[in-house]
Amino acid sequence: EAQVTQNPRYLITVTGKKLTVTCSQNMNHEYMSWYRQDPGLGLRQIYYSMNVEVTDKGDVPEGYKVSRKEKRNFPLILESPSPNQTSLYFCASSLRRLGDTQYFGPGTRLTVL
Amino acid sequence: QKEVEQDPGPLSVPEGAIVSLNCTYSNSAFQYFMWYRQYSRKGPELLMYTYSSGNKEDGRFTAQVDKSSKYISLFIRDSQPSDSATYLCAMSPSGGYNKLIFGAGTRLAVHP
Repeated sequence: EAQVTQNPRYLITVTGKKLTVTCSQNMNHEYMSWYRQDPGLGLRQIYYSMNVEVTDKGDVPEGYKVSRKEKRNFPLILESPSPNQTSLYFCASSLRRLGDTQYFGPGTRLTVL
Repeated sequence: QKEVEQDPGPLSVPEGAIVSLNCTYSNSAFQYFMWYRQYSRKGPELLMYTYSSGNKEDGRFTAQVDKSSKYISLFIRDSQPSDSATYLCAMSPSGGYNKLIFGAGTRLAVHP
């Protein structure tokens, strides 16, 4: 089954404790992206990647890091999480570019205390 | 001011109604326009994708783009309870079309 998976689905952590949210797709997609979703603000793009080793900032990259060492994986790293990073996070992928159908993962709800 | 404005609703309509969902934007560089549907506790899914101005129809859904007014719309004909979801508009500039700017989403409830 074609899918985007994220782990963990739920995470409660404390300020300053480094964490990684994994994202994996099994569709051989080139384009992958991370978003955060907050009430009243909608989805905001954090980082995106056009292919292996090619990443770029979205609208709200501060406090986040990404890497794309393999085509299927695109982890999101919070080196020193803060309470304002409490949010619902989505990973997405599409075949080549934005106009292609973008498949979203199920979301990761992160709470930073 | 946000780059993309969308009325959050909620919008409640009876089954069979025609629904109109709208977004306005301020960045004249936007060329790619999309509508996503998001069910509760799920990730968004792409409904419609339009490049530049004009209309696009897909079944009960019609997307319209009016670049002169910086206004896009999604129409749903013969709405069904299964259409109850949050609808998000999204758009991207031509130069950096891999950056996507979303509206805040409109919650739609279609009641039988």
